Amino acid sequence: GAVVSQHPSRVICKSGTSVKIECRSLDFQATTMFWYRQFPKQSLMLMATSNEGSKATYEQGVEKDKFLINHASLTLSTLTVTSAHPEDSSFYICSAIGGGNQPQHFGDGTRLSIL
Amino acid sequence: DQQVKQNSPSLSVQEGRISILNCDYTNSMFDYFLWYKKYPAEGPTFLISISSIKDKNEDGRFTVFLNKSAKHLSLHIVPSQPGDSAVYFCAASFQGGSEKLVFGKGTKLTVNP
Repeated sequence: GAVVSQHPSRVICKSGTSVKIECRSLDFQATTMFWYRQFPKQSLMLMATSNEGSKATYEQGVEKDKFLINHASLTLSTLTVTSAHPEDSSFYICSAIGGGNQPQHFGDGTRLSIL
Repeated sequence: DQQVKQNSPSLSVQEGRISILNCDYTNSMFDYFLWYKKYPAEGPTFLISISSIKDKNEDGRFTVFLNKSAKHLSLHIVPSQPGDSAVYFCAASFQGGSEKLVFGKGTKLTVNP
């Protein structure tokens, strides 16, 4: 079946550091990739939608200069959390969708902890 | 403003019995609904979906029912197995699922041997 790989699975770093998270579709070409965030005991909330070769579309309240998204190819999207602060600590997860009537397939997520 | 609600944070059933997970939504423009299963330290895995033009979709032990007038859907698992123990997320979407998903908070299902 479809596989989405997300790396790294866990990051612990100091405040002010920029962190890059990669999302790859391994066996299909992802026309669209989505980035979600989940705070404890909350639901997954969409941050942004990215289509290959175009700028990402951000949800209301998500700072695009803070969360940089690059969807450089049909199999890779990256999320960079710039100058991360403790309040950015969360679970970040990507999903990818190919053509046709396929559901979104998710990566295993990245647990980001900012000290 | 939570558009997709899973009001039961947890559910416990005996092996072999039926598990019923419920989900309510508020936006009548949703036209596609999905259930995902999530094990600890893994991402959500797609389980089953249903289009708003249907009221039932079945796949093996899993059946999803949709009641549009009540804006309610449910996932039935029968018979339940211990390996079904996981967190189940209900999600809703527009345009057949190609757009963003709006998730509920999840229900943790425990199937006891």
